[in-house]
Amino acid sequence: GAVVSQHPSWVICKSGTSVKIECRSLDFQATTMFWYRQFPKQSLMLMATSNEGSKATYEQGVEKDKFLINHASLTLSTLTVTSAHPEDSSFYICSAPMGGAYQPQHFGDGTRLSIL
Amino acid sequence: KQEVTQIPAALSVPEGENLVLNCSFTDSAIYNLQWFRQDPGKGLTSLLLIQSSQREQTSGRLNASLDKSSGRSTLYIAASQPGDSATYLCAVRTGNQFYFGTGTSLTVIP
Repeated sequence: GAVVSQHPSWVICKSGTSVKIECRSLDFQATTMFWYRQFPKQSLMLMATSNEGSKATYEQGVEKDKFLINHASLTLSTLTVTSAHPEDSSFYICSAPMGGAYQPQHFGDGTRLSIL
Repeated sequence: KQEVTQIPAALSVPEGENLVLNCSFTDSAIYNLQWFRQDPGKGLTSLLLIQSSQREQTSGRLNASLDKSSGRSTLYIAASQPGDSATYLCAVRTGNQFYFGTGTSLTVIP
């Protein structure tokens, strides 16, 4: 069964709305989680690394004020797309490694965000 | 910065054929390499994980090899089936970062 749960799976909303996406690790603790964005027919691009109890680390070119990340507990990270615009429409996926550096990465099912 | 490339970008084969997907990476200092499958509009399903000290991993009809020194991995799919049609992604872990390849879109024709 799934070890990482991501919600919601699909969001359609108006431009200017803020949207929150949740990523939960099931039955294991994740001090680190990763957020990716995937545009149609492209690969996953790492947006940021979410760290429990500290600030997220953002990749170059990703606006931290636009994509707010909160990792408030060892099993939950949230990504909030603030004041979303049509160009933010994309497929967002989170992942969490179970264990240390040599353990596999487990992914959520993704969230399809459509901004009208 | 690590760069991961997959060749071919797309592949179409008749059912029953054996096939090989390729993944190359520029920085050989990796912890592991993972192969994933992604169906349209869906998340990722992990297929195989190869640690940096390993040469290959097998699961059912899938076999993945790793040549860290040359920066290459291959995913071998035996006796392909229409249900294997999907996009296949490889990802390498370098430090605390994961880098994804560009993906190979596979179509298996019945």
